[in-house]
Parts: sequence; structure tokens; C-alpha cells
Amino acid sequence: GAVVSQHPSWVICKSGTSVKIECRSLDFQATTMFWYRQFPKQSLMLMATSNEGSKATYEQGVEKDKFLINHASLTLSTLTVTSAHPEDSSFYICSATGTGNSNQPQHFGDGTRLSIL
Amino acid sequence: AQSVAQPEDQVNVAEGNPLTVKCTYSVSGNPYLFWYVQYPNRGLQFLLKYITGDNLVKGSYGFEAEFNKSQTSFHLKKPSALVSDSALYFCAVRDGGTDKLIFGTGTRLQVFP
Repeated sequence: GAVVSQHPSWVICKSGTSVKIECRSLDFQATTMFWYRQFPKQSLMLMATSNEGSKATYEQGVEKDKFLINHASLTLSTLTVTSAHPEDSSFYICSATGTGNSNQPQHFGDGTRLSIL
Repeated sequence: AQSVAQPEDQVNVAEGNPLTVKCTYSVSGNPYLFWYVQYPNRGLQFLLKYITGDNLVKGSYGFEAEFNKSQTSFHLKKPSALVSDSALYFCAVRDGGTDKLIFGTGTRLQVFP
């Protein structure tokens, strides 16, 4: 149980385009989803927290107009990197927690490797 | 502020030997601690957590962790390492009243045959 699917796993695109990454909870309802960015050989950096039906809460230093997050249902959150540039290239990972006990672990997707040419 | 520290960037161990990956924490209030493992180009997989109760927590794939309040540590252990355990391991603490996790810098475990 507690499977999180992230799509796509790899994406390569030209500078200036927008890229959408999907994060789905397959077998549970995700009241809260998290978006992380991971640089090579580094830890995860939390970008934002999204709760179903409300605006995402962004961490300090993360541009909300650059990284658009939508959490329209209890099973789907999307991250759109707008007007992507080479410095946005990174490994993006989502995670989700379900309803109920807040001490549940976060369940992670397999990540999306984004390369901007 | 809550934080975790993983003092070792890399741990090397021979297959069949016991392994320990260290984690210390700093929290105000009760600590909610987690261990995750990450394989190359993959997301994180949950191994185990400590919320309350027994100090020795058993998790997935034969891993366990010992919560030590006096030493503010939560070291990950396994009695007999496998080559397939080679991966990046992250310790994390829940951030106070939120659901956010604060991750350590990660420890790369290398198990040699």
C-alpha cells in the first residue's frame, strides 16, 4: 500500500518551455503533498507544501510564480516549472501523506529528472 | 529549530558484517524520527520511524534503529549487511507541529562483497 506515482521520470526540454510534473497517490487519499528538489550528492530541499483544495505554501527563497503547484484532488498534485532555464535542471521528488494520524511517514514518488537545454 | 545530523558522508562495510549509520537530532519537544533509503535515480523509501514506545524500532529489509534520548541519537543498524543494501540513507525529523520533514545530509552506504 501507500504508493505514490510520479510522471514523467525523465524530461528533456528547451530553455523557455514549461514543464508539468504529476504526482499521484494510487491507493490512498493524500491530504498533503510535498515537493522537493535534490541536487547531485545533496539532501532534499523542500520547495513547497500543498494541501488539497488550497494554495500551496512555499519555502523561503522558492519562486511561486516559477514553480506553480496545484493540488486539485486528494490523489493528484502537479508542479509546473514555467519558462524553464538550465539552472532549473534538477531531480524533483514529490511525497504524500494520507488522512488521519499526522505521524504517518511521507511516501515518495520515484522522482523526475529534469534537464533543460 | 529542529535538525538532524548525519556525521558520516560514507560508510563502508563488508557483506555479512553488521552495519551502523549514525544520526543525531536536536528538537524541542518529543522527537518524531524517520529513516529513508534512496537508490540511484529513485525516490525515497520509508524504512522505519520512532514516535513513542520501545527504543528499538524494527523496520523494513531487516533494518532497525535505536532511539537514545540521553545521547539524542537514532542510529540505523542491521546485523548482517547485504551488497544490495548499498544506497543513500537519510535520517529525518518531523518539524514541530507541521507535517514537514527535515532531512539530514545523507550517508552513502557501500557494502563490499
